[in-house]
Amino acid sequence: GAVVSQHPSRVICKSGTSVKIECRSLDFQATTMFWYRQFPKQSLMLMATSNEGSKATYEQGVEKDKFLINHASLTLSTLTVTSAHPEDSSFYICSASYSGDHSYNEQFFGPGTRLTVL
Amino acid sequence: AQKITQTQPGMFVQEKEAVTLDCTYDTSDPSYGLFWYKQPSSGEMIFLIYQGSYDQQNATEGRYSLNFQKARKSANLVISASQLGDSAMYFCAMREGDQGGSEKLVFGKGTKLTVNP
Repeated sequence: GAVVSQHPSRVICKSGTSVKIECRSLDFQATTMFWYRQFPKQSLMLMATSNEGSKATYEQGVEKDKFLINHASLTLSTLTVTSAHPEDSSFYICSASYSGDHSYNEQFFGPGTRLTVL
Repeated sequence: AQKITQTQPGMFVQEKEAVTLDCTYDTSDPSYGLFWYKQPSSGEMIFLIYQGSYDQQNATEGRYSLNFQKARKSANLVISASQLGDSAMYFCAMREGDQGGSEKLVFGKGTKLTVNP
């Protein structure tokens, strides 16, 4: 099956610093990547959708200047949390999908990144 | 209005028994897909099963089956012969439309399943 990796898996940073999270599709070219945030004991909330080479589409209420998304290639998307604060502490999960011969148009999820802002 | 509703915050089942996790959905799009994911404590999202809105038969994948009742807009997950390793959070999700993979998923709030020995 299609594999998506995320790096780092866990990061702790000081308030005010920026953190970059990478999402890579390892064995397929992802036409679309998605970024989710999940608070403890809650569901996944979509933050943004990005297509390679174009600007990300952010969900309502998500600050695009705070959560910078770059989808520079068909195998890599990055999420940068700028000037992180403790309330940004969360589990960030990416997923990727591709148009092609798979019947579900399934999203393949990365293992997630746990961000803790002190 | 919520698009995906999972009314059971927590469920308990004895090992080797079957369990049904409820999911109802709301959409006016004739083309949609329904997914179930398992999320163990490690956090990874594991795809379990998929049901398309035009599928005539209920989806099955090993011990997982989906009880799809289109008129009721329900897509319940049935896990047969529960195992201790099935203890996890289970999320129902919906994709509206069919545009080759660019559609977003909307998730329910999840059900925490605990399998007792």
